[in-house]
Amino acid sequence: DGGITQSPKYLFRKEGQNVTLSCEQNLNHDAMYWYRQDPGQGLRLIYYSQIVNDFQKGDIAEGYSVSREKKESFPLTVTSAQKNPTAFYLCASSIIGSGNTIYFGEGSWLTVV
Amino acid sequence: GQQVMQIPQYQHVQEGEDFTTYCNSSTTLSNIQWYKQRPGGHPVFLIQLVKSGEVKKQKRLTFQFGEAKKNSSLHITATQTTDVGTYFCADDNAGNMLTFGGGTRLMVKP
Repeated sequence: DGGITQSPKYLFRKEGQNVTLSCEQNLNHDAMYWYRQDPGQGLRLIYYSQIVNDFQKGDIAEGYSVSREKKESFPLTVTSAQKNPTAFYLCASSIIGSGNTIYFGEGSWLTVV
Repeated sequence: GQQVMQIPQYQHVQEGEDFTTYCNSSTTLSNIQWYKQRPGGHPVFLIQLVKSGEVKKQKRLTFQFGEAKKNSSLHITATQTTDVGTYFCADDNAGNMLTFGGGTRLMVKP
């Protein structure tokens, strides 16, 4: 069954803690992305990667970090430096190249308590 | 940077009424992709428009790309409760680096 798996679905974090969101895909896609969605708003790009061991900052990378050690995996760490981390986080992947469909995971809800 | 704007932000319709969301940019759009996100769900790809003036249909959904490639629209004829969700346009302006509009949230009253 092909697709993108994100975990956990729901996560609560205390202020000052780092948390890592997992994203795994078995679609054999080279490109992977992390987007943040705030309630009632659009999607903003945090980081993206087009090849293993390489990634670039998106529009709102501050307070986040990523790694791409394997083609299938693109975990996102929300660090304590992220001032307003409560949001819905979406991982996505695609074939590289213009016009290719981006496939999204089911998302992870992060709440800071 | 580039901004993609969508209007309206919200729309309530009675079931059976039509619905349209508009996507606008101050700069020329490359390829427009449309996504639907059901409440509590994740965005799902609907369609892509590439050519100036292009029109594509999917059952009750009609997608248009403006002649100047600065706007696009999605029109739903005779809405149903299954159409509920948020519709996003996105410009594929840098080889899969999508710039998303803010979305239009559609609510349908049965």
